[in-house]
Order: sequence, then structure tokens, then C-alpha cells
Amino acid sequence: GENVEQHPSTLSVQEGDSAVIKCTYSDSASNYFPWYKQELGKRPQLIIDIRSNVGEKKDQRIAVTLNKTAKHFSLHITETQPEDSAVYFCAATPGISSGTYKYIFGTGTRLKVLA
Amino acid sequence: GAGVSQSPRYKVAKRGQDVALRCDPISGHVSLFWYQQALGQGPEFLTYFQNEAQLDKSGLPSDRFFAERPEGSVSTLKIQRTQQEDSAVYLCASSPNLRAGELFFGEGSRLTVL
Repeated sequence: GENVEQHPSTLSVQEGDSAVIKCTYSDSASNYFPWYKQELGKRPQLIIDIRSNVGEKKDQRIAVTLNKTAKHFSLHITETQPEDSAVYFCAATPGISSGTYKYIFGTGTRLKVLA
Repeated sequence: GAGVSQSPRYKVAKRGQDVALRCDPISGHVSLFWYQQALGQGPEFLTYFQNEAQLDKSGLPSDRFFAERPEGSVSTLKIQRTQQEDSAVYLCASSPNLRAGELFFGEGSRLTVL
């Protein structure tokens, strides 16, 4: 079955610097890769996603890149701000081609933006 | 409703008790997912529904866990004879259609088994 590995588990950056979080997946049939942000005690919320027919997607300070050959995808946050501090989760789902829509999540990255 | 609603938000159970956790998805959402999130970990898949059909329950950890969505809307996750290792936050999420896309999560139900 699908397995998603996420690194690093914790990341501290100075305000204004960039942050990069990387994930690898095992199932080559995976075709949808969302990123969720979870603030302490809150629900996970989608911040950006990418489908397997696209190599990169950007939304203001956030971007995601996908390398299907290597089976990894990354979240890039530029010009980090204190409110970016949270836990970030990547996920992958193979979709109906594998008979299930279950989303497999990574173990999370705790990002701290230091003022 | 405005979002996915889960109840109770907090539940303390004595080991061996049965618990039931409820999820009200966003109205009209076809897909509904249950996840278990242990402290400091990512959400672990339990099961998901398409309308009233339970299409994948491969993540349920044991036969003590049971989920249903009889009318294709509200769902209940039932845990029988709770054990300490069941302590976690149980997250429900819904999605508007069958194509992989954004999951809308509830606030979760925090279960503590003493």
C-alpha cells in the first residue's frame, strides 16, 4: 500500500527566510498531492495541492513541486512570517485507478518562524 | 451547515467502555472519511464512505472499531471495549465529490481512555 515519508520533522527559520518541506511516496499510481496546515488544537486546512499532470503550482508565497519520476514532492514557503508557524502535513492519494480514494498523510513537519 | 461538525469534542472513557463519535459533514458532500491522529503524529486513515457505502475500511485497527453512514449523511464511529491505545483525536472529513480533492476536516473528537 501507499506510504508517505516527510522530512524534516521540525524546522526553524528566521522570519523572512524560506522554508522547504519534502515528501516521498511509494505508490506510482498516486495522482493527487495536497498539503495541509494544522495550527495547535485546530483542524487541518488545505493550503495548496497539485495533481500528477502538473510539475509545479504556486499561490502567492506558497509553491509545490512534483517529481513523478523520483516520486517526491515539496512545499516551498517564501518570505516566512510568524503566522506560518504550524504543523504541515503532506498527503498522497492514488485515486480510483487503485480502487480507493484514501489519503495517506505524512508524519508532519513542525515549522517555527522566529521573529 | 457552515462546516464539518463533530461531537463530542472531548470524551473520557474508562477502559472497557463503548464510545460513539458523531460526524455531520457539509451538506451535499458525497465522500466522508475518518482518521485517527495520535499526539504529534499525522492523521492515520481509518475508513471512508461514498454516500452510504463504506468503500474502504482497511485502516480500522481491530474489529472493535465500526463505522456507519446509513443515510449517506451523518456518520458514527463506534469503538467497543475501549483500550488505552485508542486514546487519540478522531478526525472526520468530507469532500464534495468522488474526484480526489480538498478534504474539509472537522475539529475532531479527542478521546481519552483511562
